[in-house]
Amino acid sequence: GDSVTQTEGPVTVSESESLIINCTYSATSIAYPNLFWYVRYPGEGLQLLLKVITAGQKGSSRGFEATYNKETTSFHLQKASVQESDSAVYYCALDTNAYKVIFGKGTHLHVLP
Amino acid sequence: GPKVLQIPSHQIIDMGQMVTLNCDPVSNHLYFYWYKQILGQQMEFLVNFYNGKVMEKSKLFKDQFSVERPDGSYFTLKIQPTALEDSAVYFCASSLEGSSYEQYFGPGTRLTVL
Repeated sequence: GDSVTQTEGPVTVSESESLIINCTYSATSIAYPNLFWYVRYPGEGLQLLLKVITAGQKGSSRGFEATYNKETTSFHLQKASVQESDSAVYYCALDTNAYKVIFGKGTHLHVLP
Repeated sequence: GPKVLQIPSHQIIDMGQMVTLNCDPVSNHLYFYWYKQILGQQMEFLVNFYNGKVMEKSKLFKDQFSVERPDGSYFTLKIQPTALEDSAVYFCASSLEGSSYEQYFGPGTRLTVL
């Protein structure tokens, strides 16, 4: 079936350091799923961080970016310089046009001041 | 931005009782979803709902589960009777359309079955 695998957390980095959270996907029901990164900040609900629906394209938001790589079936999340306010749980996800989202297990990110 | 509300935020009930989880979706959205997350595990799709009907449900959506949205009011998930393994956080979501349109998620209802 369809699945998403992402970096197991927690991930701890210091403010202004670079970040990468790995995500790979497997989509058996469709060749090119839509790919997403969701984020849950402490005390808040899940919200969409960025999405890419076309293979080869890059999505970006709030300094984060991720590129849809169909060759390696990856969608890694990167940021050049993290801030303490980026501390949250990040979820990689895919949508197979079947009106449901399939999530990874989530990665806790702790940014130290 | 648009908000999805869920009521209550926490619910504790005894095994075998009925429970109804309520979701107030974004007002002009047409598609509705429930997801389940057991502590320490990933969020998993339960069911989606459109035009008064279930479109798709996962194997987690047991016969004891039902969903409805009577007359545009709350989108509800009812579990009758509850079992210990139903303890989880349940997230509601809604979207304007399906597929690649963004799903907006509620904050979740933590259900504890004793």
